[in-house]
Amino acid sequence: EAEVAQSPRYKITEKSQAVAFWCDPISGHATLYWYRQILGQGPELLVQFQDESVVDDSQLPKDRFSAERLKGVDSTLKIQPAELGDSAMYLCASSPDPPLAGTSRAKNIQYFGAGTRLSVL
Amino acid sequence: SQKIEQNSEALNIQEGKTATLTCNYTNYSPAYLQWYRQDPGRGPVFLLLIRENEKEKRKERLKVTFDTTLKQSLFHITASQPADSATYLCALFYGGSQGNLIFGKGTKLSVKP
Repeated sequence: EAEVAQSPRYKITEKSQAVAFWCDPISGHATLYWYRQILGQGPELLVQFQDESVVDDSQLPKDRFSAERLKGVDSTLKIQPAELGDSAMYLCASSPDPPLAGTSRAKNIQYFGAGTRLSVL
Repeated sequence: SQKIEQNSEALNIQEGKTATLTCNYTNYSPAYLQWYRQDPGRGPVFLLLIRENEKEKRKERLKVTFDTTLKQSLFHITASQPADSATYLCALFYGGSQGNLIFGKGTKLSVKP
């Protein structure tokens, strides 16, 4: 069964350093999401792509976070510089459905990768 | 802003019993609601979706109900097994052009043998 691939699984870094996470969605899934999940909380959306275009990055701290999906397939999320409060699980998800609401068939089922656990020291 | 509450952080039950998890939301009703399972150190896995015009959905030992009057969804696992132990997340999907899911904090279910 096809899966969303993420790497690395774990990342330990010192504050003020740069970190990058990679995600390869399920083949054919045009919509890609990056979430941040703090321990004991639900995932919170950081950025959403439709193909190579950003659909929603309203919750992305743009002073330090950036995301790209240049060819509309795999994606990279970067943090520079990392801060202590960035320690969390970073999840990537993909969906075969476009981000369109209001249709009776829309499901927006999201398929998640295993995540990258970031620890900032 | 929309608020989602899952009834408790943790639920402990005995094997064979029915687990019932609650998801409450404020303000307006979502177009649909989803339930996901998340194991430690893993990403969430989709389980069930229920739309605002549906009362109940079933899948094997799982059942979801949706009451837009109470602004509540109930998630039931019948004949629970230790393998059902995990965190269960509800997620709401609203109208609009962006189609984002809003997740609750989750309820950690522990099924004891």
